[in-house]
Amino acid sequence: RKEVEQDPGPFNVPEGATVAFNCTYSNSASQSFFWYRQDCRKEPKLLMSVYSSGNEDGRFTAQLNRASQYISLLIRDSKLSDSATYLCVVYTGFQKLVFGTGTRLLVSP
Amino acid sequence: GAVVSQHPSWVICKSGTSVKIECRSLDFQATTMFWYRQFPKQSLMLMATSNEGSKATYEQGVEKDKFLINHASLTLSTLTVTSAHPEDSSFYICSARGVAGGTDTGELFFGEGSRLTVL
Repeated sequence: RKEVEQDPGPFNVPEGATVAFNCTYSNSASQSFFWYRQDCRKEPKLLMSVYSSGNEDGRFTAQLNRASQYISLLIRDSKLSDSATYLCVVYTGFQKLVFGTGTRLLVSP
Repeated sequence: GAVVSQHPSWVICKSGTSVKIECRSLDFQATTMFWYRQFPKQSLMLMATSNEGSKATYEQGVEKDKFLINHASLTLSTLTVTSAHPEDSSFYICSARGVAGGTDTGELFFGEGSRLTVL
């Protein structure tokens, strides 16, 4: 089983739609969780950290469920510019970050 | 915010040659930098952790004699792919944890990546 698993997609949604991604992790001792965004042939960039209480940043909402060992990312009112690959990243300690394969999102007009 | 710069962005080389990639933290000191490799449609895979002033820590399966890492200063780490072969063609990315006011912010900043093509 992979340490971090994501549905690779692609998720094809129209502009304005709401879309949600899930990510599961296997190490119950994982400490921190992040969502990164990666555009084609570019470096990943931090989208948001994921806190136990859940957090929201504009149209983006992240949730953490430690009991079931998954995190989620919800994007409301999708924009064309949201098209990218969204990487689930888990910090397992000892300065080790584990990346999921990413979920590809395509937002169409 | 913290910025990490990577050079070169693109490199094409002949099989058997060596290629050096530089990673610099521009406005903060990074005692630790990380080197990742990403093949098409795959996740970033940690290759090694680069520690300033000491030997790098390599992940299982990564050949330390092939991927030489030097972290000679607090702002520069280099990755040298020695005797490169076509299967080494990949996207190599460095990163460092952000530091603000001397405190580790926990955020990971990435270089722009270096796309290596070995002919």
